[in-house]
Amino acid sequence: KAGVTQTPRYLIKTRGQQVTLSCSPISGHRSVSWYQQTPGQGLQFLFEYFSETQRNKGNFPGRFSGRQFSNSRSEMNVSTLELGDSALYLCASSREGKGNQPQHFGDGTRLSIL
Amino acid sequence: SQELEQSPQSLIVQEGKNLTINCTSSKTLYGLYWYKQKYGEGLIFLMMLQKGGEEKSHEKITAKLDEKKQQSSLHITASQPSHAGIYLCGADNAGGTSYGKLTFGQGTILTVHP
Repeated sequence: KAGVTQTPRYLIKTRGQQVTLSCSPISGHRSVSWYQQTPGQGLQFLFEYFSETQRNKGNFPGRFSGRQFSNSRSEMNVSTLELGDSALYLCASSREGKGNQPQHFGDGTRLSIL
Repeated sequence: SQELEQSPQSLIVQEGKNLTINCTSSKTLYGLYWYKQKYGEGLIFLMMLQKGGEEKSHEKITAKLDEKKQQSSLHITASQPSHAGIYLCGADNAGGTSYGKLTFGQGTILTVHP
């Protein structure tokens, strides 16, 4: 069974640009969560999608957005990039996003802002 | 203060030694997850604990949940270099309305010297 796949693995952008990251969940998993990991703040929850609907959102500015497609694949978009957006972005999938279902993570996308 | 406190922040042990990592939540715990991460990579799911007093083991790693203290411990017996990495605990603090959100501790960096 294939795991969670994130593309690309590495990305370099400059301030002011925008970026789109992609996540393919484990087959049969309909919930996709996105996290940002930085040395200073650790792992922080961005948002969760289930059946193409955002059900939960963390405390991040509106520059961070996402969407989910009918096949459960998800994309995350960050507009007007800032230096502080440099981070490892991780997505995780679970069957239904319930607290009693483990989330399985991808290897992440390392985003560097110059 | 952090919602989820892990201790210690780092740990250096000699191969063969036992060790314990603790995770304490300031909020009600509905579920507690343990993950392992190699630097710059994704999180590998280790164990999920949901009921007070629950204890689970996987190979030489055992985790326990003390629901009253809102605390979990991860114990590694006879550590090996392959156990080295960052151990993260993640908490479901919302129960039925968690919708894919886990709150994570800052992580414990484990180094095992051969």
